[in-house]
Amino acid sequence: DTGVSQDPRHKITKRGQNVTFRCDPISEHNRLYWYRQTLGQGPEFLTYFQNEAQLEKSRLLSDRFSAERPKGSFSTLEIQRTEQGDSAMYLCASRGTAQYEQYFGPGTRLTVT
Amino acid sequence: EDQVTQSPEALRLQEGESSSLNCSYTVSGLRGLFWYRQDPGKGPEFLFTLYSAGEEKEKERLKATLTKKESFLHITAPKPEDSATYLCAVQATTLNTGNQFYFGTGTSLTVIP
Repeated sequence: DTGVSQDPRHKITKRGQNVTFRCDPISEHNRLYWYRQTLGQGPEFLTYFQNEAQLEKSRLLSDRFSAERPKGSFSTLEIQRTEQGDSAMYLCASRGTAQYEQYFGPGTRLTVT
Repeated sequence: EDQVTQSPEALRLQEGESSSLNCSYTVSGLRGLFWYRQDPGKGPEFLFTLYSAGEEKEKERLKATLTKKESFLHITAPKPEDSATYLCAVQATTLNTGNQFYFGTGTSLTVIP
């Protein structure tokens, strides 16, 4: 069990650019979640996958955000036309079928200049 | 409406000075209440899951308890390495589909040697 991994760990981009983040969940976990966390706040839910199906999307997830999990393993989160308000830590979590607790990755820190 | 409220926002303790952190919630249909520890710049680290009122879990100097309206994280004889932000999250059937976590804003704990 190598844990949840995320790449990159840090990303600095200019406003208007597109960015993509990757998450590799714990291998036997079929559920995958994306959250966003800003300074001093708890993580906020963005979207949820069960296997390759995207079952839930938060209203926080504007049209500029898209997430995929093509083969039910790793997932990507893309933000198009980034805005300064997108600056945050993007966290990925996964869990298995027989448990409710989610295990988080180290996060990707996005800074939009 | 806040579904998860944590108090205090910040807590400073002397090494060895025991205390408790509070997480109150207003959801019904609770599936689970989760405690996480988060160090600066890192993803949340899972600590405990509590499912029903009266349940208790322990790990080293930490003990989590649950009632129908709140949970406490008791820290006994804390050490400086316990310094972190402690996050509480709930999963409930009344929150959308019941798959996502709702996090509080956390309690920032500092333990002074």
